[in-house]
Amino acid sequence: GAVVSQHPSWVICKSGTSVKIECRSLDFQATTMFWYRQFPKQSLMLMATSNEGSKATYEQGVEKDKFLINHASLTLSTLTVTSAHPEDSSFYICSARSRFGTDTQYFGPGTRLTVL
Amino acid sequence: SQQGEEDPQALSIQEGENATMNCSYKTSINNLQWYRQNSGRGLVHLILIRSNEREKHSGRLRVTLDTSKKSSSLLITASRAADTASYFCATDTGFQKLVFGTGTRLLVSP
Repeated sequence: GAVVSQHPSWVICKSGTSVKIECRSLDFQATTMFWYRQFPKQSLMLMATSNEGSKATYEQGVEKDKFLINHASLTLSTLTVTSAHPEDSSFYICSARSRFGTDTQYFGPGTRLTVL
Repeated sequence: SQQGEEDPQALSIQEGENATMNCSYKTSINNLQWYRQNSGRGLVHLILIRSNEREKHSGRLRVTLDTSKKSSSLLITASRAADTASYFCATDTGFQKLVFGTGTRLLVSP
């Protein structure tokens, strides 16, 4: 149980285009999902907290107009990187927290974004 | 911002040896969690220890927490080559979100 999927697992795009990444909780309902980015050989940095049915909460320094987050249902959150640039190339990982209140976050397998 | 510093940054041991990783953090926490990440993959939750707990075991894993020193350690006993991965501590400060440490890269050689 407690499986989180991400799609796509990797994507290559041209500079200036937008890329959408999906995060799904497959066997549980998640009122809260989190988006992280990870640069090579570095730790995870929280970008934003996504709550179902409300606006995402962004961490300091994260541009909300560049990283659009939508949490339309209890099992799906999406992250759209708008007007992507090479410096946006990174590993993006989502996690989900069950609505039934455990402290554990379940992580997706990550999406490798490369912007040319 | 990064809450936790982990040391060592990298650790190389032989199969069968024990591996110890340490994590220090800065603010009060509700709980501290340890995760494993294989290269280029997502995170696997290993163990959660609450702020009122001092020690927890799960299989070959032993975690300690010292809230007075704001530190935690993860011990992997009788390590295996399959334990090769990066290990991260993450603190939950009570606002649902996790703040990750810098990570320890563990290499277990056969």
